[in-house]
This record gives sequence, structure tokens and C-alpha cells, in this order.
Amino acid sequence: NAGVTQTPKFRILKIGQSMTLQCAQDMNHNYMYWYRQDPGMGLKLIYYSVGAGITDKGEVPNGYNVSRSTTEDFPLRLELAAPSQTSVYFCASSYSKGQGGHYEQYFGPGTRLTVT
Amino acid sequence: LAKTTQPISMDSYEGQEVNITCSHNNIATNDYITWYQQFPSQGPRFIIQGYKTKVTNEVASLFIPADRKSSTLSLPRVSLSDTAVYYCLVGEGSSNTGKLIFGQGTTLQVKP
Repeated sequence: NAGVTQTPKFRILKIGQSMTLQCAQDMNHNYMYWYRQDPGMGLKLIYYSVGAGITDKGEVPNGYNVSRSTTEDFPLRLELAAPSQTSVYFCASSYSKGQGGHYEQYFGPGTRLTVT
Repeated sequence: LAKTTQPISMDSYEGQEVNITCSHNNIATNDYITWYQQFPSQGPRFIIQGYKTKVTNEVASLFIPADRKSSTLSLPRVSLSDTAVYYCLVGEGSSNTGKLIFGQGTTLQVKP
């Protein structure tokens, strides 16, 4: 299994440009997540999905959009990039055991994004 | 929302046992407690998960008191390679919404 893969690894965007960060997992996990991590800070949840066709906002969803058309893929779309979106973006997946429990999250290697 | 509170940083020396405590006063009945480790430039990695009492695996132990309002991650005999940020997470609510939010984490510095 490849686990959680993310592309690209690095990207530089100009202000106002748009891009899609790709995330895929091959573990048949039902839950997927997008986090951002600013330098020296903790992870902030952007969006998450509990299954194909179902997504919901996290702590910091503004400026981002997601879709989940398949179990495997969970792309994150940035529209009109701003310098405040300069960060490292991590995708993760997990399998829910129900009743408030969930198995461990598996994280991808991250995408380092710079907006100038 | 089950918010977690941890110390910002801790120092230790090689070979010592390290205990990191996490406070989660609003934990819901069905929430699990999970700990992750993160090295620079990498995504977090699962360490251990528990619901109550004590859980032990090959790398750590997790102690959870009866009221479940806190938990303690115990790392036995740390080495320099255990220098990392440690996060405590609590599942959001008994409805199992899947909304997993990281706290600020504890930066552990292990010295020789």
C-alpha cells in the first residue's frame, strides 16, 4: 500500500492564482481530512469528509473548497490565493470505529505552498 | 467541542521517563483519546489511543483516570530521537462526526 499520497510536494503561487492540491489514499478509509500547518504552529483542520459525497467545514475553511467523489480521492481547491495561505498542507485518512472512536489517522508527506 | 490543553514545551535527558499530560475537561462519553508525534517537515504519526484506565504498546503508555478529564502520555527511557512535538486529540462528540482537531501540542526536547 502506498498509504496517503499528496501532490505536488512544493508549489509557488502568485497572489490571485488558483490551484488544486491532490490527495489519495489506498487503504479504503472512509474519513479524510485536510489540515494546514503554519511555521512553528499546530495543525488547523480545513475540511473533512466522512465518506464519498459528504464533506464538512473544519476550523479554517475560508478560501478553500473540497470535493469527495470517490473513497480514494479528496482534492483541496484554493481559489484566489493569498499570502495568508502560505503554509504546509497535510492530508490524512482514517477509518471510523463508530461511537466517537476512530482508528489512527494516516498522514501524507505534505505540500509546501508559498503564495507571493 | 472537546478542547485539549497541553504544556507548550518540556525538556528531558536521555534515558529518563517523560510524562506529558493533556487536559480535556469537556470530553464526551464516547470519545477516545489519541496521541500523535510529529517531527519537523513530516506529518504526524500515531503513537497510542485509549478510552479509559491504562493502555500500553511498544513505544508508550497512556494513563487515563476514571473521570477521563485528563490523560498522560508516558515515554519510557527517551532518546535524542524522541525530540518532537506531541499532540493529544479527543474525538468530537458521541455522534462521531469525524471532526478531529489538534491542540497546540507539546514540544519535547531531549538533551544528551
